[in-house]
Amino acid sequence: GAGVSQSPSNKVTEKGKDVELRCDPISGHTALYWYRQSLGQGLEFLIYFQGNSAPDKSGLPSDRFSAERTGGSVSTLTIQRTQQEDSAVYLCASSETGTRRTYGYTFGSGTRLTIV
Amino acid sequence: DAKTTQPTSMDCAEGRAANLPCNHSTISGNEYVYWYRQIHSQGPQYIIHGLKNNETNEMASLIITEDRKSSTLILPHATLRDTAVYYCIVMVGTSGSRLTFGEGTQLTVNP
Repeated sequence: GAGVSQSPSNKVTEKGKDVELRCDPISGHTALYWYRQSLGQGLEFLIYFQGNSAPDKSGLPSDRFSAERTGGSVSTLTIQRTQQEDSAVYLCASSETGTRRTYGYTFGSGTRLTIV
Repeated sequence: DAKTTQPTSMDCAEGRAANLPCNHSTISGNEYVYWYRQIHSQGPQYIIHGLKNNETNEMASLIITEDRKSSTLILPHATLRDTAVYYCIVMVGTSGSRLTFGEGTQLTVNP
């Protein structure tokens, strides 16, 4: 597609439920990132996928968070047993890569997750 | 990746040039300077990046000092829609680097 697509755009779920957030990167982009942004806060890195390499999961805040990227394209971020502090906007970004990455990242519009 | 320092906030009159500074005194030779912005309630938007030379595109110009320890993002004719938080990020230009956002500069363009 023309840009990074995220779904749903808004999600309200009850505390304790599991949620899945989806990211469709730009076709051909091999690098994919998940970030989250709590209200009034800066962006917090969560996880990074690069081609077929093992993902960099160092930003995931707890083992309730997981992400996968199927076929090097679509990515799903899953949060299990959601807590109220998980409420945030979850942003996905993708980028072209080459021998040297000198390209900008394109971000999606995000999923606004509210835990009630 | 090198750390950056930006002013917390800046104001600019509509139609005037907005000059946003960034210090990155510990930048390494293989690190690029990237600029992004985030308009309220939207995802961040890539603006421009550079290594050594000044760069210009349809959105902005990037001026990097000769010693590469600082840079300035220039919006030549700021509009109200340019009101946003502007992030200066220094990052190695190779696969595996992580885009790390600091606090950024809140630019407010006034009518």
